[in-house]
Amino acid sequence: DAGVIQSPRHEVTEMGQEVTLRCKPISGHNSLFWYRQTMMRGLELLIYFNNNVPIDDSGMPEDRFSAKMPNASFSTLKIQPSEPRDSAVYFCASNQGDAGYTFGSGTRLTVV
Amino acid sequence: AQSVTQPDIHITVSEGASLELRCNYSYGATPYLFWYVQSPGQGLQLLLKYFSGDTLVQGIKGFEAEFKRSQSSFNLRKPSVHWSDAAEYFCAVVTGFQKLVFGTGTRLLVSP
Repeated sequence: DAGVIQSPRHEVTEMGQEVTLRCKPISGHNSLFWYRQTMMRGLELLIYFNNNVPIDDSGMPEDRFSAKMPNASFSTLKIQPSEPRDSAVYFCASNQGDAGYTFGSGTRLTVV
Repeated sequence: AQSVTQPDIHITVSEGASLELRCNYSYGATPYLFWYVQSPGQGLQLLLKYFSGDTLVQGIKGFEAEFKRSQSSFNLRKPSVHWSDAAEYFCAVVTGFQKLVFGTGTRLLVSP
């Protein structure tokens, strides 16, 4: 198994541009999570899905952030418009029962 | 609210010495607890997890953790630290429906 796959690994964009982060969970995992990591706030849970349905999006910071999971093998996190304070590392994780939460390598986003 | 606390921001240990990283949780029911490790610029790797049963849990890389309900703790230990163990360590607890919440992390420095 290739694990949780995130793309891109690095993204540099200008303020105001739309940014889309992508995640492919482990096959068979029915829960998917998006986290943001910054020095100031640590690891924050933004949103999570179960069976492709959003369960809790209370961590999404603003309406500029949106996430979708159109099928069991793909999810996106979109920021529109992006701002410098959105600069962070964004992690995707997936889980199935007692298997444990497996994290991707992350996307390092820099908004200039 | 359910949460996890890691009281030590930094810990420095001499190579070969023993290690204990502290984690306290706040959760009404029997918690699902995890320890993750993150090397600089990397994702999070699962070290070990506790769901139920034996309160002493063995993990990868020679780590273990002990669940103590009376103290609401899940401390991570290693009998002899190697220089390659220098990293950031995160304790996490599952709250609600599969919602994984992280502590603020402890950065481990290993001195020669």
